[in-house]
Amino acid sequence: KQEVTQIPAALSVPEGENLVLNCSFTDSAIYNLQWFRQDPGKGLTSLLLIQSSQREQTSGRLNASLDKSSGRSTLYIAASQPGDSATYLCAVRGRVQGAQKLVFGQGTRLTINP
Amino acid sequence: DVKVTQSSRYLVKRTGEKVFLECVQDMDHENMFWYRQDPGLGLRLIYFSYDVKMKEKGDIPEGYSVSREKKERFSLILESASTNQTSMYLCASSALGGRQYFGPGTRLTVT
Repeated sequence: KQEVTQIPAALSVPEGENLVLNCSFTDSAIYNLQWFRQDPGKGLTSLLLIQSSQREQTSGRLNASLDKSSGRSTLYIAASQPGDSATYLCAVRGRVQGAQKLVFGQGTRLTINP
Repeated sequence: DVKVTQSSRYLVKRTGEKVFLECVQDMDHENMFWYRQDPGLGLRLIYFSYDVKMKEKGDIPEGYSVSREKKERFSLILESASTNQTSMYLCASSALGGRQYFGPGTRLTVT
């Protein structure tokens, strides 16, 4: 059974720092991996999707990498801003035939201090 | 722009009531999902649907049912609401193999 872990559970850094959020998964047979952002009391916003054949994806100040063989993904945030404060979740989709569902990590709660 | 809407942001119901949560997507996606999110437990999949009238159980289907009569609409039904179903309910949709897009969520309180 696929398990997804995100460490740390919470992170607080000063504005302007570059930072890395970590995601690990136990079964490397994945179809893709997705990073989301969730603001308090709101739904999830999709940030980046990495297909299993890809090594990384970039969107603005965000860069996500994928190392399938080691079961790891990282989300790099450059020049952090207070508006980046949110909970970040990663989720993997397995390769089981017909499977469309995602397995989520518990998230990392990020606080950027002005 | 991608849009997933949910019928209510906040809902308060009494124990034993039948509750309907509705979700609509405008992207012609094949797949639709219902999750619940609880502190310390994360997101858990209740049901998903990969086509009209088709559904599959997720990880925690007990006490819930779903209906998908039209491609754009996916309903979650609590047959007899209980206090342990107090939670944030999130709907999502995706194309085959694509990103999942989430709605704003419904915070349901059962008293």
